[in-house]
Amino acid sequence: GENVEQHPSTLSVQEGDSAVIKCTYSDSASNYFPWYKQELGKRPQLIIDIRSNVGEKKDQRIAVTLNKTAKHFSLHITETQPEDSAVYFCAASGGSYIPTFGRGTSLIVHP
Amino acid sequence: GAGVSQTPSNKVTEKGKYVELRCDPISGHTALYWYRQSLGQGPEFLIYFQGTGAADDSGLPNDRFFAVRPEGSVSTLKIQRTERGDSAVYLCASSLTLLAGEGGELFFGEGSRLTVL
Repeated sequence: GENVEQHPSTLSVQEGDSAVIKCTYSDSASNYFPWYKQELGKRPQLIIDIRSNVGEKKDQRIAVTLNKTAKHFSLHITETQPEDSAVYFCAASGGSYIPTFGRGTSLIVHP
Repeated sequence: GAGVSQTPSNKVTEKGKYVELRCDPISGHTALYWYRQSLGQGPEFLIYFQGTGAADDSGLPNDRFFAVRPEGSVSTLKIQRTERGDSAVYLCASSLTLLAGEGGELFFGEGSRLTVL
C-alpha cells in the first residue's frame, strides 16, 4: 500500500517568514495530493490540492509543488501569520480513492 | 446540517464494553470514510464505503471493529470488547464520487473522542 512520509514534525518560524513542509510517497500510481490544516481540537480542512498532471499550484500565500519522478511534494506558505499556526497533513491517493496521510507538521508562527 | 456530523463527541467507557460511534455525512456524498487519529499522529485509515457497501475495510485493526452503512447515508462504527489501546479520536469523512481513478476533497466531521479506561 501507499506510504507517506512527512517532515519536519515541528516547524517554528517568525511572523512574515516562509514555511516549507515536505512529503514523499511510495506508490507511483498515486495521482492526487491534498493538504489539510487542523487547528487544535478542530476537524482537518482542505487548504490546497494538486493532481499529477501539473507541477505547481498556487492560492494566494500558499503553494504546492509536485515532483512525480522523485515522488515528493511540498507545501509552501509565504508571509506567515499567527493564524497559520496549526498542524498540517499531506496525503496521497490513487485509484483506490483512499487518501493515506502523513504524520503531520506542527507549524508555530511567533508574532 | 451542512457538514459531516458525528456523535457522540466524547465517549468514556470501561475496558471490555461495547461502543457505537455514528456519522451523518453531507447529503449526496456517496463516499464515506472512517479514520482513527491518535495524539500527534495523522489520520489512520479504517474503512471506506461507496454507497451501502464497504469497498475497502483493510484498515480495520481486528475483528472487534465493524462498520455499517445500511441505507447509504448514516454510518455506524462498532467496537466490541474495547481495549485501552482503542482510545483515540475517530474521524468520519465524506466526499463526492469523482471520475474513476481520481481522488477528491474529504469533508471531515469534528470526530468522536473515545477514552477506554
